[in-house]
Amino acid sequence: DAGITQSPRHKVTETGTPVTLRCHQTENHRYMYWYRQDPGHGLRLIHYSYGVKDTDKGEVSDGYSVSRSKTEDFLLTLESATSSQTSVYFCATQGADTGELFFGEGSRLTVL
Amino acid sequence: SQQGEEDPQALSIQEGENATMNCSYKTSINNLQWYRQNSGRGLVHLILIRSNEREKHSGRLRVTLDTSKKSSSLLITASRAADTASYFCATDRNDYKLSFGAGTTVTVRA
Repeated sequence: DAGITQSPRHKVTETGTPVTLRCHQTENHRYMYWYRQDPGHGLRLIHYSYGVKDTDKGEVSDGYSVSRSKTEDFLLTLESATSSQTSVYFCATQGADTGELFFGEGSRLTVL
Repeated sequence: SQQGEEDPQALSIQEGENATMNCSYKTSINNLQWYRQNSGRGLVHLILIRSNEREKHSGRLRVTLDTSKKSSSLLITASRAADTASYFCATDRNDYKLSFGAGTTVTVRA
């Protein structure tokens, strides 16, 4: 299994507070992704990274920012959390050779 | 917007039966992938089929791809209780951004 660790795994916060989710990988994969999963929507791409300091927006990027200062770490930040950002967030990495994604176990965020 | 859509949304079968689910997509793709998600867990890659392939097998899994109809199917043969999970198709348009459907929830009854 690819070594992908997400933290925290569970978080409850209040509207308007900042939140940072961390994804750490040990596979030296170049590509990293943040998805959110909501009932009826499957997984939707928030942001992705194709290298250190190289990031780009996905289809639901509003209200989120990311940073990647090291190959192994990809941070997702909600500057001011809203109730609509209550979701399960998944980090994934991709080895360019195979094209398949390796997923973390998810971070469940509740915004009250 | 989602590129892939699975059908049916939910499927309940008896242990030992086959399970078939379908995925339709909208634009041309480089490859199509299927993933499994057990309750409360992350997604796990099952199989990848490239746009120039029509059928692929992996153990009890059989995947077909019809690019003219922009559709794929996943067949799980001789299902087991451990196959109970949600299954997602994901399309790769050669831009390193997989697009996922909403998934099919499969329940295998003992």
